[in-house]
Amino acid sequence: ELKVEQNPLFLSMQEGKNYTIYCNYSTTSDRLYWYRQDPGKSLESLFVLLSNGAVKQEGRLMASLDTKARLSTLHITAAVHDLSATYFCAVANTGANSKLTFGKGITLSVRP
Amino acid sequence: DAGITQSPRHKVTETGTPVTLRCHQTENHRYMYWYRQDPGHGLRLIHYSYGVKDTDKGEVSDGYSVSRSKTEDFLLTLESATSSQTSVYFCAISESINRGAEQFFGPGTRLTVL
Repeated sequence: ELKVEQNPLFLSMQEGKNYTIYCNYSTTSDRLYWYRQDPGKSLESLFVLLSNGAVKQEGRLMASLDTKARLSTLHITAAVHDLSATYFCAVANTGANSKLTFGKGITLSVRP
Repeated sequence: DAGITQSPRHKVTETGTPVTLRCHQTENHRYMYWYRQDPGHGLRLIHYSYGVKDTDKGEVSDGYSVSRSKTEDFLLTLESATSSQTSVYFCAISESINRGAEQFFGPGTRLTVL
């Protein structure tokens, strides 16, 4: 059974500093998704990582995937208040009709 | 934004009553999913569909049933609602996760079972 762990579950960040958050998963997969959720809102797709070594960047966020270590990282450069949200990673199960297993999410709060 | 709507957006009901939530898409995507979101649990898959009349269970399917009679509509039914089914329900659509397609989410339905 695929399990997805995110840590830490809550992170208080200082404006202007760099941070990294992690997503670990328990079984083989080469497809990993990152989502952002603002309070009371739906999930917004951030990145889709489809192979070992994949790296994607959007603004101050950069995501990478290491399928051998079963690990994805989301690096935040020079945190700003607008990045305050909950970030979910989700891993695709293998199989004919694959589906995603989500982590519990990491809530980021950026303080001045 | 992907064309996904959910109805109703909010519902309050009483224990033991049947409830049906509707997800409607205009993207003609093959796959549709129902998740529930609860504090401390992230998102958990209830049921999903891989085509018209083709559905399968997710990890938390007990107490829920689904139907998909048209590509664009995926219905989630709580046959007899319980307080443990109070949650926010999200519908999602995808072309094919196997081929690395994105999964897009609807706006959500907040269900309260008293």
